[in-house]
Amino acid sequence: AQRVTQPEKLLSVFKGAPVELKCNYSYSGSPELFWYVQYSRQRLQLLLRHISRESIKGFTADLNKGETSFHLKKPFAQEEDSAMYYCALKTGAGSYQLTFGKGTKLSVIP
Amino acid sequence: DAMVIQNPRYQVTQFGKPVTLSCSQTLNHNVMYWYQQKSSQAPKLLFHYYDKDFNNEADTPDNFQSRRPNTSFCFLDIRSPGLGDAAMYLCATSRRQGASNQPQHFGDGTRLSIL
Repeated sequence: AQRVTQPEKLLSVFKGAPVELKCNYSYSGSPELFWYVQYSRQRLQLLLRHISRESIKGFTADLNKGETSFHLKKPFAQEEDSAMYYCALKTGAGSYQLTFGKGTKLSVIP
Repeated sequence: DAMVIQNPRYQVTQFGKPVTLSCSQTLNHNVMYWYQQKSSQAPKLLFHYYDKDFNNEADTPDNFQSRRPNTSFCFLDIRSPGLGDAAMYLCATSRRQGASNQPQHFGDGTRLSIL
């Protein structure tokens, strides 16, 4: 069965410092990987997906199949980046099931 | 704004008393999902509807049922809530086109408490 691991429950960084939120997955096929973000008192929303290869709000994530990782990175953290971040895996383009990691709470210190 | 709306935001019920959570969407998506999220845990898929086709996850307890009377609405019924069912319940939608299922859009969730 597929699994998503986010090893850090909480990550604190200073404003302007680089950020890396780790995500590792286990799945033998070709997964689709996503990052979802939940700001305080807001709904869970899609941040980015690996197949789009885009940068959203300065965040990027590259799928590394060799290391089975999909780490989320931003070169300079902003206070408004403070939120809960969830990595999620879908087992294929047509799959309905989204398997989430437990999430990492990012706190950006002013 | 097109969105996914969950009512109520907070629901309190008594142990064993049936409860229904509601979800509506204005996105006209053909797939709707219900997730359960307990404190400090990942959201866990309970079931989903593709149009009227209901799909239950293998480990979803029989206590949990769902109804989708039309495209816009989906309900989660908990027949006899136990203390272990206290959680945040998330509704989500997506558009399936052919063999591709687009990313999911989530509602704000309903936090269920059991007395």
